[in-house]
Amino acid sequence: DVKVTQSSRYLVKRTGEKVFLECVQDMDHENMFWYRQDPGLGLRLIYFSYDVKMKEKGDIPEGYSVSREKKERFSLILESASTNQTSMYLCASSRWTLDGTQYFGPGTRLLVL
Amino acid sequence: AQKITQTQPGMFVQEKEAVTLDCTYDTSDQSYGLFWYKQPSSGEMIFLIYQGSYDEQNATEGRYSLNFQKARKSANLVISASQLGDSAMYFCAMREGQSTDKLIFGTGTRLQVFP
Repeated sequence: DVKVTQSSRYLVKRTGEKVFLECVQDMDHENMFWYRQDPGLGLRLIYFSYDVKMKEKGDIPEGYSVSREKKERFSLILESASTNQTSMYLCASSRWTLDGTQYFGPGTRLLVL
Repeated sequence: AQKITQTQPGMFVQEKEAVTLDCTYDTSDQSYGLFWYKQPSSGEMIFLIYQGSYDEQNATEGRYSLNFQKARKSANLVISASQLGDSAMYFCAMREGQSTDKLIFGTGTRLQVFP
C-alpha cells in the first residue's frame, strides 16, 4: 500500500512565524504535490515537484515555498505565516504512469492566530 | 480553461440504496483522466476510481462505478448499496492532458447515508 505521511495533523502558529510542513512517501514516487483545501473551494495546488531539487508553481504559490532535497520528502514552508493561511494542507504523491493517480496524506490542519 | 463542476453541495441516501454524484468537466484536451476521491471527516483523501478519456468501458471498482459520457462531458460516480461508512465528501478531479500529473478538483459533494 502507498503510504504518505505528514508531520502534524494539527498545528497552531502565530502570525509572522516560519512554518514547516513535511511530507514523506514510501513508494519511490517521482511526483509530489502540496494542496490547500478551504470550504467551498475544493483543493487548490500550491506547488509540485517532478524530481529531487525541482519545483514548479501551482495555482496559488504566493506566500509559500517548497523544498525537495530527497525523493521521498517534500516540504512546504510558510516564510511568515498569516491568518489567511489558516487552512487544511494536503500532500500527495504519484508515479509517472498512464493514469497518474495521486495518493494523499492525512492532511495538516493549520491555524494561524 | 479546464474546469470541474460538481453542482450538488449535499446529497442524502438511505442505506442499501444506490446514489449518483454528478460531475461535469470542461477541457479542450483529447487525452485526459478523471478521478473520484472520498474524504471522510478524518481528512484523508482516498482514491476511489479512475477513467481515462480513451477508455471505452465505464470504470468499476467494487461498489463504485463511473458513468462516463464523453459527449456530454460528464463523469458521474455511482455508489451501489450505500453503507453508513460511505458518508463523506466526494471530489471529482481531472488530470490536465497527458504530460502532467496535475489535477483540477471540483468543490465536492457531501454525502450523508442514513439508516
